[in-house]
Amino acid sequence: QKEVEQDPGPLSVPEGAIVSLNCTYSNSAFQYFMWYRQYSRKGPELLMYTYSSGNKEDGRFTAQVDKSSKYISLFIRDSQPSDSATYLCAMGVGAAGNKLTFGGGTRVLVKP
Amino acid sequence: AAGVIQSPRHLIKEKRETATLKCYPIPRHDTVYWYQQGPGQDPQFLISFYEKMQSDKGSIPDRFSAQQFSDYHSELNMSSLELGDSALYFCASRHRGTGGTGELFFGEGSRLTVL
Repeated sequence: QKEVEQDPGPLSVPEGAIVSLNCTYSNSAFQYFMWYRQYSRKGPELLMYTYSSGNKEDGRFTAQVDKSSKYISLFIRDSQPSDSATYLCAMGVGAAGNKLTFGGGTRVLVKP
Repeated sequence: AAGVIQSPRHLIKEKRETATLKCYPIPRHDTVYWYQQGPGQDPQFLISFYEKMQSDKGSIPDRFSAQQFSDYHSELNMSSLELGDSALYFCASRHRGTGGTGELFFGEGSRLTVL
């Protein structure tokens, strides 16, 4: 079993809908959490960064972290066709040089 | 804003050849990571460097080696290439001032094709 689990999708939604993504993890030592968006053949683009539990909002994006449940979420409001991409959750323990552990990514398709 | 720069963007090699990928981190970032991403897969951690010293090692084959130089750029050297080495190779960087828990930024990747 992987340390970080993420539904691969595809998740198909109509334009304007809310996209709901989530990841579960098993390592309780994870301290910080990120969401990346990756278009085909491109590098992962950092969308949201959260340290420890709580919510964070940035424009149309809201990230939630529930460390007690080992569960993180990303919500995209007013989805656009340009949001169609693969979304990767990633998390790490800390200390300089420490690696990120990725979920497998969820492919999202926003239909006009 | 300056981003992580990787070169070359595309590379075609034959089996048993050698390839070198370069990564230039964001200015003032002192930690570099290398990831390998196969088709339809999530990025797999290879190796990382902090202040020019190897700090963590993942699933990097013995045929691969890497280092970080005094100007903080990093190079990934791959020898005796195999067909299975064909993948996107990403470099990422972060700044130690964040305590090693801060945001990690990725480059656009180098696509290696082994024929």
